[in-house]
Parts: sequence; structure tokens; C-alpha cells
Amino acid sequence: AQSVTQLDSHVSVSEGTPVLLRCNYSSSYSPSLFWYVQHPNKGLQLLLKYTSAATLVKGINGFEAEFKKSETSFHLTKPSAHMSDAAEYFCVVSGRVSSNTGKLIFGQGTTLQVKP
Amino acid sequence: DVKVTQSSRYLVKRTGEKVFLECVQDMDHENMFWYRQDPGLGLRLIYFSYDVKMKEKGDIPEGYSVSREKKERFSLILESASTNQTSMYLCASSFGQGANAKNIQYFGAGTRLSVL
Repeated sequence: AQSVTQLDSHVSVSEGTPVLLRCNYSSSYSPSLFWYVQHPNKGLQLLLKYTSAATLVKGINGFEAEFKKSETSFHLTKPSAHMSDAAEYFCVVSGRVSSNTGKLIFGQGTTLQVKP
Repeated sequence: DVKVTQSSRYLVKRTGEKVFLECVQDMDHENMFWYRQDPGLGLRLIYFSYDVKMKEKGDIPEGYSVSREKKERFSLILESASTNQTSMYLCASSFGQGANAKNIQYFGAGTRLSVL
């Protein structure tokens, strides 16, 4: 069975400082992993996706994540936070609930606050 | 761009009412999903559908039903709304099945439902 744990429910950084959002996963096979972002009153938007190619994945808006199998981690980083990065972030692992359709399993979410 | 449209952003209903939440996608995706989002719990899958007239239960189907009469439209039905169904409801769609399943899901903006 697949599961995902986001280690921080809330992260606060100052504008211009690095961002680190932590995620650990559990999977019985090689998973696909995702980060989604949700801005206030908006739907979820895909930031990036890992699918067993390069372990360092680059996404939109300067975000990237590194897949570390030995640590079962997929942490999201950004070198320099911007005010517009304030949002809720979800780490997601794919599983299969039927033979047909990929099922996504969501972490609990991390709220990123960016202070001026 | 993929567009997933949920018919209402906000709904207020009374306990015992029958409630319909509508979702339409414009990318000919095979798969459609309904989630509810609650603080601290992330997104939880209610139902999904991988084809017209096909449906499968997700993790929390109790109190809900769904309908998919056309490929582009997926409806979530609360037969008799209760206060514990007050939540944000998100619809999503994705392309492909089996080995071709792309797993990337595209989300609508959400419907915030309040049951009084």
C-alpha cells in the first residue's frame, strides 16, 4: 500500500530565503511522486512530477524536488522564496486502486507562509 | 490547456436536501474523480470513474453517489445532505488507462459546500 507523510503542517520563511517542504513516502513498488500547489480559493496545480527518470526534478516557478529512495523522501525546495509562493502544498504518491486507473494519495498538506 | 469546470464555487444547503455538484472537463479524459478537502486531512477520494456509466468507490463513499452519463461530465450527489458533509469538494480528470495512464490529474477550482 502507498502512503505519504508531510512532516510539517506549517512552514514560515522570509522573502528571499530558501524554502524546504519535507515529504516522506511509502510504496510497495517504484512510485510516481508529485507536488501540487493550491493558492487560496483556487484548484490544485501540478508543480512537478517524478516518474523514475532523473532523481532531481525541476518544476514550475523555480521549485525542484529530489527523489531519494534510500531515505524514501521527496522534499520540495526553492532557493529564494517569493511572496506569491504563499500557498498550500501537497505531496502526492500514485497508486492503483483498480487495474484501470491511477489513484493519487495525498499528504495532509503544508501551508507555506512568506513574510516580507 | 486542460479545463475542469465546477458549476458552483459556493453552495449553502439545508440538512436533508438532495445536492448535486457538477463537473465538466474539456480534454476528452477517460478518468474523473471527486475528492473532499478538509483542513489537516488533505484530499480524500470519494468516487472515481474510468469510463461512461462506470464508477468505483474511493476511500470515503458513504453518503455520496455519482453519475457519469457523458464522458465530459461527472456529477456528485448527496442524497440527503448532513452537516458533516460541509467541506470543499474538488473534481479532477486524467488521461489514459492501464499502461497508458498518465496519473497527472487536473483539478477544478472547487465547490465550498455548507450544510446548515
